[in-house]
Amino acid sequence: DAGVIQSPRHEVTEMGQEVTLRCKPISGHDYLFWYRQTMMRGLELLIYFNNNVPIDDSGMPEDRFSAKMPNASFSTLKIQPSEPRDSAVYFCASSLGRGLNTGELFFGEGSRLTVL
Amino acid sequence: AQSVTQPDIHITVSEGASLELRCNYSYGATPYLFWYVQSPGQGLQLLLKYFSGDTLVQGIKGFEAEFKRSQSSFNLRKPSVHWSDAAEYFCAVGASDDMRFGAGTRLTVKP
Repeated sequence: DAGVIQSPRHEVTEMGQEVTLRCKPISGHDYLFWYRQTMMRGLELLIYFNNNVPIDDSGMPEDRFSAKMPNASFSTLKIQPSEPRDSAVYFCASSLGRGLNTGELFFGEGSRLTVL
Repeated sequence: AQSVTQPDIHITVSEGASLELRCNYSYGATPYLFWYVQSPGQGLQLLLKYFSGDTLVQGIKGFEAEFKRSQSSFNLRKPSVHWSDAAEYFCAVGASDDMRFGAGTRLTVKP
């Protein structure tokens, strides 16, 4: 299995520009999570999906952030317009729901975003 | 609400020495507990997990952790650290849809 795949690995953009981060979860996983990691705040859960449906988006910092999961194999996190304080590493993770494997998250390698 | 505390922000140990990373949690029921490791520029990788049963759990890379309910702790241990163990370690509590991560402990390994 290829694991969770994220793109781009690095993105440098200017303030005000739109940023789209992409994620392909592990096939068969029914949960998908978006996390943000910064030195100041550590790992923050932004939003998660179950069976492509957004369940909890309370961690999304502002209306500038939006996430979609149009099908089981693809999700996007969009920031529009971007601001310097959005600079962080954004991780996508997937998981195989409840049961014995509950809670084992499989992380992608992250997308490092720098907003100038 | 559940939470995780990792008291040590940074730990330095010599190669070959033993290691213990501390983790304390707050959880209303029997917790699911995890340790993840993050190497520089990488995502988090699961080291081990505790759901129930034997309170001493074995993980990958020679790591183990012990669940102590009376102390609300789930400390990570390794008897002999290798230089490749230098990374950031995260303790986490909860289920996949309600996972809380600690702030992390950065491990430096001296030659």
